[in-house]
Amino acid sequence: QKEVEQDPGPLSVPEGAIVSLNCTYSNSAFQYFMWYRQYSRKGPELLMYTYSSGNKEDGRFTAQVDKSSKYISLFIRDSQPSDSATYLCAKPPNSGYALNFGKGTSLLVTP
Amino acid sequence: KAGVTQTPRYLIKTRGQQVTLSCSPISGHRSVSWYQQTPGQGLQFLFEYFSETQRNKGNFPGRFSGRQFSNSRSEMNVSTLELGDSALYLCASNSGTGVHEQYFGPGTRLTVT
Repeated sequence: QKEVEQDPGPLSVPEGAIVSLNCTYSNSAFQYFMWYRQYSRKGPELLMYTYSSGNKEDGRFTAQVDKSSKYISLFIRDSQPSDSATYLCAKPPNSGYALNFGKGTSLLVTP
Repeated sequence: KAGVTQTPRYLIKTRGQQVTLSCSPISGHRSVSWYQQTPGQGLQFLFEYFSETQRNKGNFPGRFSGRQFSNSRSEMNVSTLELGDSALYLCASNSGTGVHEQYFGPGTRLTVT
C-alpha cells in the first residue's frame, strides 16, 4: 500500500465552483502534511502546509486533516481557470527529507 | 534567491545510451532529492543526498545512480536507457535544517526512443 493515496481525476468544474480534493495516508510520524500545485510543464510548488489539528485557511484555499480517518482535504472556493493544475498531497518521510507524494489530482476549471 | 535549476530541460536519447542530468539547489540548501514523474506512477522517489552522502534510496534498479558535490550541486545518471525511463525527472532541494519543505526545479523531460 502506498503511503499516500489520491484519486487522479481528472476533475472538471465550472468557474466559481467549490472544489474538494482528497488524500488518504497510511501512517505518519509527523503531524503535518503538504499540498503542492503543479502546472503543466512545471515543477511542483508548495501551496500549503496543514497540521493535524484543525483547518488552515489561505485566501481561497482551506486545508484540513482528519486524523481519525487519516484523510487530508484541500478546498478551493470560487475556483478560477488559473487554478487548473495537478494538486499533489504529500507527507514527510520517517527519515530524511524526501516527501511521500500522492499521484496527484488533475483539476480543470472551465470558464 | 535563485530557485532550483536543472539542466538540460529536454533530452532525447535512444535505448541503451546513458544520460546525466544536473541539478543546482537553492543557495544554502544541503539536501537534494530526485524524483521520477510519469502519468501512470506519479512522483516516485529516486534518492536523496545530504552533504555529499546518499541518505535514502527509492525502489529503482541500479542503472539509476546519483552523486552530490561539495557545493551541493547534484547529478543523476541513468545507464542502459530503456523506453520505460521516459519521464520528467525532478530535483528538489531542502535546507536540511529540520523542516520538510521541498523546492522543486522545472524538471528535465527525458524521452527514450
